[in-house]
Amino acid sequence: DQQVKQNSPSLSVQEGRISILNCDYTNSMFDYFLWYKKYPAEGPTFLISISSIKDKNEDGRFTVFLNKSAKHLSLHIVPSQPGDSAVYFCAASATAQGGSEKLVFGKGTKLTVNP
Amino acid sequence: EPEVTQTPSHQVTQMGQEVILRCVPISNHLYFYWYRQILGQKVEFLVSFYNNEISEKSEIFDDQFSVERPDGSNFTLKIRSTKLEDSAMYFCASSESDRVGKETQYFGPGTRLLVL
Repeated sequence: DQQVKQNSPSLSVQEGRISILNCDYTNSMFDYFLWYKKYPAEGPTFLISISSIKDKNEDGRFTVFLNKSAKHLSLHIVPSQPGDSAVYFCAASATAQGGSEKLVFGKGTKLTVNP
Repeated sequence: EPEVTQTPSHQVTQMGQEVILRCVPISNHLYFYWYRQILGQKVEFLVSFYNNEISEKSEIFDDQFSVERPDGSNFTLKIRSTKLEDSAMYFCASSESDRVGKETQYFGPGTRLLVL
């Protein structure tokens, strides 16, 4: 049951260029989306999020785009830096009536930024 | 910057033994979560906890699992009788609230559990 899909297991880009990581989802109840970055042997680190009422959110070098009709979101990193090399996870959550909201994760995309 | 902490970082146990994984969430957070990641697989939700009770749990979180907030700071995950398939990285997370604004969940560094 892959409600959140990251179809590219890996991506390699040159330093200074743009990195584009993609994520698709199937559950139309999802209304909040997050990107996490993870280094080996560490926990996921929150990067950026977007609510379904928006189609773009920007924070420094990171921009997330949401296309609700296509059930697709993407993370753009520009310019890419070697320190951005990590596994990037897309996650989604749905409104819970009076309850907490579990995150559903994709499998991750390993980004390598080459100097 | 406040962060979620977890202890121990690594735990090796024999099958059938009980383990307790500990977490200290961010101090002003109200919602607490456990996730796990089996090697090579996705990060999976286990349980969420609010106001001293479980809010939601996954099918993974069976009777062998329990959570507790024994004091004002710690949040624990207990596995009563570990199985080989419980070997995974266990992540604790916390969030300030789950208002309409959807507060973000912040994760700890994880505990790597190995069941032999």
